[in-house]
Amino acid sequence: EAQVTQNPRYLITVTGKKLTVTCSQNMNHEYMSWYRQDPGLGLRQIYYSMNVEVTDKGDVPEGYKVSRKEKRNFPLILESPSPNQTSLYFCASSLYGPGQNNNEQFFGPGTRLTVL
Amino acid sequence: AQSVTQLDSQVPVFEEAPVELRCNYSSSVSVYLFWYVQYPNQGLQLLLKYLSGSTLVKGINGFEAEFNKSQTSFHLRKPSVHISDTAEYFCAVSARTNAGKSTFGDGTTLTVKP
Repeated sequence: EAQVTQNPRYLITVTGKKLTVTCSQNMNHEYMSWYRQDPGLGLRQIYYSMNVEVTDKGDVPEGYKVSRKEKRNFPLILESPSPNQTSLYFCASSLYGPGQNNNEQFFGPGTRLTVL
Repeated sequence: AQSVTQLDSQVPVFEEAPVELRCNYSSSVSVYLFWYVQYPNQGLQLLLKYLSGSTLVKGINGFEAEFNKSQTSFHLRKPSVHISDTAEYFCAVSARTNAGKSTFGDGTTLTVKP
């Protein structure tokens, strides 16, 4: 089954404790992206990757890191989490970037992160 | 820089009535435009997108949207809604010169009442 998977789905942690949220897709997509969703603020893009070893900042990259060493995986790293990073995180992938015909962006199920 | 404004945070409507969800955007370059739907406790699903060509775009579930360049708008419409359309709807924009970067609106909650 074609899908985007995220792990963990739920995480409660404490300020300053490094964590990684994994994202994996099995569709051989070139494009992957991370978003955070907060009430009343919609989705805000954190980082995106057009292909392996190519990553760029979205609108809210501060406090996050990503890597794209292989096509299927795009982990999100919080080196020193803070309470303002408590949010619902979505990973997404598509064959190419969003502006291509016959090219839909698939979203993962989300990771709910709480930083105490 | 690009931005998206969804003009209504909540839209209540009765079943079988028509609905319009409004979206305005701002960008210094030409853009691609998207509408997504998010059902409760789920991820987002693409409804439709405007890349080029005809300004009237038809999507899934009977939705359509019209791109108006002069008014920088991309309003979403459906002539007759169902209870199952109750969800949150997001408008999004990507610049043609940097299509990897996406900016979303704050969302509109559509509630369809029986």
